[in-house]
Amino acid sequence: DVVMTQSPLSLPVTLGQPASISCTSSQSLVHSNGNTYLTWFQQRPGQSPRRLIYRVSNRDSGVPDRFSGSGSGTDFTLKISRVEAEDVGVYYCMQGTHWPQFTFGGGTKVEIK
Amino acid sequence: QVQLVASGGDLVKPGGSLRLTCVASGFTFSGYYMSWIRQAPGKGLEWISYISDTSTNIYYADSVKGRFTVSRDNGKNSLYLQMNSLRAEDTAVYYCATVSYSSIDYWGQGTLVTVSS
Repeated sequence: DVVMTQSPLSLPVTLGQPASISCTSSQSLVHSNGNTYLTWFQQRPGQSPRRLIYRVSNRDSGVPDRFSGSGSGTDFTLKISRVEAEDVGVYYCMQGTHWPQFTFGGGTKVEIK
Repeated sequence: QVQLVASGGDLVKPGGSLRLTCVASGFTFSGYYMSWIRQAPGKGLEWISYISDTSTNIYYADSVKGRFTVSRDNGKNSLYLQMNSLRAEDTAVYYCATVSYSSIDYWGQGTLVTVSS
């Protein structure tokens, strides 16, 4: 089974400063069709998760451009260029390459210093 | 817009059963694969089940295989999760979600299942 590992567990950030979250998979996430199915979600306190990024670097509609995704193979990163108060929450990565099982990372809690 | 409304969560004793329902609107439900994902209190996300658009393909996580059954009624825009032989570790908020291109896109609001004596 694919294991998704996120770091750090907790990320205190000053408003207006950048933040970076790492996600590593135990196996390559490159599908036989050439696509890499790595997704990022944001879960604000008390809310359902919301998708931010799909296929490594594609931002969903309505997602601010301060969020960006990058990476390849087994190593991926979610970056927030300038953290705002509304970005507080837990961020999860998820692989969909090794279908039909989705696997989530353990989550990274972003909080304001 | 896409809406997924989950219901049916309740307090149930260990060994008991429960059926969750998710009603979809705002999109062509019959054209979408669907999933159930759960989140134990204060914990992360766990995918538990997937069903294809025509119910031809169904998959479960090992943690629920043999105890949970997913189904759908495209005529009623509804997704179901029948949960039997419930255990304390099944206590969680259960989310229904749409699946597309090997990703999960839209999530419902979740329904809380508590398994306790």
